[in-house]
Amino acid sequence: QQPVQSPQAVILREGEDAVINCSSSKALYSVHWYRQKHGEAPVFLMILLKGGEQKGHEKISASFNEKKQQSSLYLTASQLSYSGTYFCGTEGDNAGNMLTFGGGTRLMVKP
Amino acid sequence: DGGITQSPKYLFRKEGQNVTLSCEQNLNHDAMYWYRQDPGQGLRLIYYSQIVNDFQKGDIAEGYSVSREKKESFPLTVTSAQKNPTAFYLCASSRQGGIQETQYFGPGTRLLVL
Repeated sequence: QQPVQSPQAVILREGEDAVINCSSSKALYSVHWYRQKHGEAPVFLMILLKGGEQKGHEKISASFNEKKQQSSLYLTASQLSYSGTYFCGTEGDNAGNMLTFGGGTRLMVKP
Repeated sequence: DGGITQSPKYLFRKEGQNVTLSCEQNLNHDAMYWYRQDPGQGLRLIYYSQIVNDFQKGDIAEGYSVSREKKESFPLTVTSAQKNPTAFYLCASSRQGGIQETQYFGPGTRLLVL
């Protein structure tokens, strides 16, 4: 079952914050976050594991609520370089590293 | 530099023609994957291989075939049975095929039908 991402799109001004959510209907072992620029390959941002800590990467961090089967990606003080489409990939407890990707959230940061 | 290469960057297919997309990695990864991405959509798994000479179907394997004769190579053939092949194809690899492993993506091949 494909995870659901929200919002589908968001437009920010430089310096503003954003939250992207990823929800699944099944029990999850991990959530992987990627960013993709138009026409390019997705680039790995971070992985959150069941029972693990909230992760951070520069001004981008994420949380994983196992009970709610949800993950959120937090972008603070956004920069122009943050523009792109953000995908979450979810992995169930018995999925054997088969990621199921959400439909993506398109983020545009304007000057 | 280690990484994943895909070729060609653009590929044109005529009706009824089979075409093969190349994927090579020098990361010494055991597992490799093929995904299809349609405009404005997420990634859907076509095939994956966790070890040489073994591969499994993903969610949308119909009309596609793969081989894994060498650890570093995982070519994808789009057959004439795939009626709507126009898409962006991404190859990925991970150190192992188990959970917790990060997948790293190649630059992609864009397939267009003439």
